[in-house]
Amino acid sequence: EAQVTQNPRYLITVTGKKLTVTCSQNMNHEYMSWYRQDPGLGLRQIYYSMNVEVTDKGDVPEGYKVSRKEKRNFPLILESPSPNQTSLYFCASSFAGGVWYGYTFGSGTRLTVV
Amino acid sequence: GDSVTQMEGPVTLSEEAFLTINCTYTATGYPSLFWYVQYPGEGLQLLLKATKADDKGSNKGFEATYRKETTSFHLEKGSVQVSDSAVYFCALRNRDDKIIFGKGTRLHILP
Repeated sequence: EAQVTQNPRYLITVTGKKLTVTCSQNMNHEYMSWYRQDPGLGLRQIYYSMNVEVTDKGDVPEGYKVSRKEKRNFPLILESPSPNQTSLYFCASSFAGGVWYGYTFGSGTRLTVV
Repeated sequence: GDSVTQMEGPVTLSEEAFLTINCTYTATGYPSLFWYVQYPGEGLQLLLKATKADDKGSNKGFEATYRKETTSFHLEKGSVQVSDSAVYFCALRNRDDKIIFGKGTRLHILP
């Protein structure tokens, strides 16, 4: 089944403790992206990647890192999480190079930083 | 920059009512337009799309027509069901390959 898999689904952590949220897709998509969803703010893009070893900042990249060493994986790293990073996070992927492609989304990771 | 504006919610309707959720966009060139749906506790799912002017996207009884002259992509359904309760997002993909979302509209359908 074609899908984007995020782990974990739920995570509670403490301020400053490094964490990684994994994202993997099995559709051979070039384009992958991370979003955070907050009430009243909709979806905001954190980072995106057009292909392996190519990443770029989205609208709200501060406090986050990403890497794209393999085509299928795009982990989101919080080196020193803070309470304002408490949010619902989504990974998404699509084919690149054509405006007609929509995203496939993962099921989300709800992160709480205390 | 490019942007998407959709009507604020929540929208509350009775079952079998007619639904319209307005969406307008600002973009250079000819973006593709999408509607996504997010059911409670889930990720976003692509509901329908249109890739050029006057195209109509449709799925699960929902429809939206790409109107270049009014830069709009309103979502409609003739008879909503309780199971349609969700958050709906309008989005565009521009010529820089960026997907831009509206803020979402929460829909409640009462039995």
